Amino acid sequence: SSELTQDPAVSVALGQTVRITCQGDSLRSYYASWYQQKPGQAPVVVIYAKNKRPSGIPDRFSGSSSGNTASLTITGAQAEDDADYYCNSRDSSDDLSRVFGGGTKLTVL
Amino acid sequence: QVQLVQSGAEVKRPGASVKVSCKASGYTFTDYYMNWVRQAPGRGLEWMGWINPNSGDTHYAQKFQGRVTQTSDSSITTVYMELRRLKSDDTAVYYCTRGGDWDAFDIWGPGTMVAVSS
Repeated sequence: SSELTQDPAVSVALGQTVRITCQGDSLRSYYASWYQQKPGQAPVVVIYAKNKRPSGIPDRFSGSSSGNTASLTITGAQAEDDADYYCNSRDSSDDLSRVFGGGTKLTVL
Repeated sequence: QVQLVQSGAEVKRPGASVKVSCKASGYTFTDYYMNWVRQAPGRGLEWMGWINPNSGDTHYAQKFQGRVTQTSDSSITTVYMELRRLKSDDTAVYYCTRGGDWDAFDIWGPGTMVAVSS
């Protein structure tokens, strides 16, 4: 199976912009989706199909992709964005399977 | 509203089996695949597999093949995930999540804690 690699931890000052990245071969062929998870809660999708936002997700969340890297950008990070973020995509060796990145803990300072 | 309701927490012995249910409501059950994702304590998300409730077709992560079975019952809009030959490292929260448009997991159940301990 393929892997998706994320930085384990990232920090950002309140109100500043932060980018969280996800690397993997499958991202050359398939879209990434991004999930926010707060302690004790189920994940919530914040970006899918590279840069689509579900209703209710603030427009400070955006996505992009280039080559083997997908990125989630939070423009003007808020205290409530302090959470774990996971990317997900199809498996490059088996496109019926899915794979998650290891997750990035975002700390808003 | 669209929601997924899962069965309650389980405690199992090593070697036993567990079957977790996930009842869907608020949408046409057979129009969307259902996935299962688990999360061990303090760890990341791990995709386990999906089921097509319309056809019954399934696809599992290689890691779980031979040990997991996903089924669905359209009459009660419920999917099930059975994991056999449990080990201590199967201790995790198990989530069902709907496979929405563009490969997004758009709706998540609240999770079911499964603890495996002797």
